[in-house]
Amino acid sequence: DIQMTQSPSSLSASVGDRVTITCQASQDISNYLNWYQQKPGKAPKVLIYDASNLETGVPSRFSGSGSGTDFTFTINSLQPEDIATYYCQQYDNLPPSFTFGPGTKVDIK
Amino acid sequence: EVQLVESGGALVQPGGSLRLSCAASGFTFSQYWMTWVRQPPGKGLEWVANIKVVGSETYYVDSVKGRFTISRDNAKNSLYLQMNSLRAEDTAVYYCARVAGYCTKGVCYYLRFDSWGQGTLVTVSS
Repeated sequence: DIQMTQSPSSLSASVGDRVTITCQASQDISNYLNWYQQKPGKAPKVLIYDASNLETGVPSRFSGSGSGTDFTFTINSLQPEDIATYYCQQYDNLPPSFTFGPGTKVDIK
Repeated sequence: EVQLVESGGALVQPGGSLRLSCAASGFTFSQYWMTWVRQPPGKGLEWVANIKVVGSETYYVDSVKGRFTISRDNAKNSLYLQMNSLRAEDTAVYYCARVAGYCTKGVCYYLRFDSWGQGTLVTVSS
């Protein structure tokens, strides 16, 4: 089974800062990597799919990159409404299965 | 507007059974794969099961294989999760979600969970 790790597990940053989260897969997953945002008490929301594609309606300050085993998620200018936990998620082809990373909690300093 | 509304969560004893439902609206339900994802209190997300559009192909995380069954009724725009032999570690908020993307000739593209319900809490405890 493919294992996903994320770092850091939590971070505090100031409004306007650039925030970077990394996600690593235990084996090559090509670009089959998504990023989700979950605000407290709410369902998750997909932000980035297939490593670098911005989901429709998601602000352009969010971006993703990477392929193979190493991926990066960036918030270019942190906003107060970005306070949330962010999860990476990989998927396998056939059979289609999914694994989430452990999450990164983002707070405002 | 896409809407997914889960129901059926409850307190159940270990070894018991429960059936969750998810009512879908605002999109052509029969054209999408669907999925269940769970989140134990204060913890991260775990994918539970997928079902393809026709319902004949289903996939599960190893920890629920043989105990949980995902199904759908396209005529009723509804998704279900039958949970048997429940354990304390199954305690979680259960979300249903729509799967966007597609698979063809053995390769999948753009798979992600693009719409989610609000979740329903399942508590397994004596």
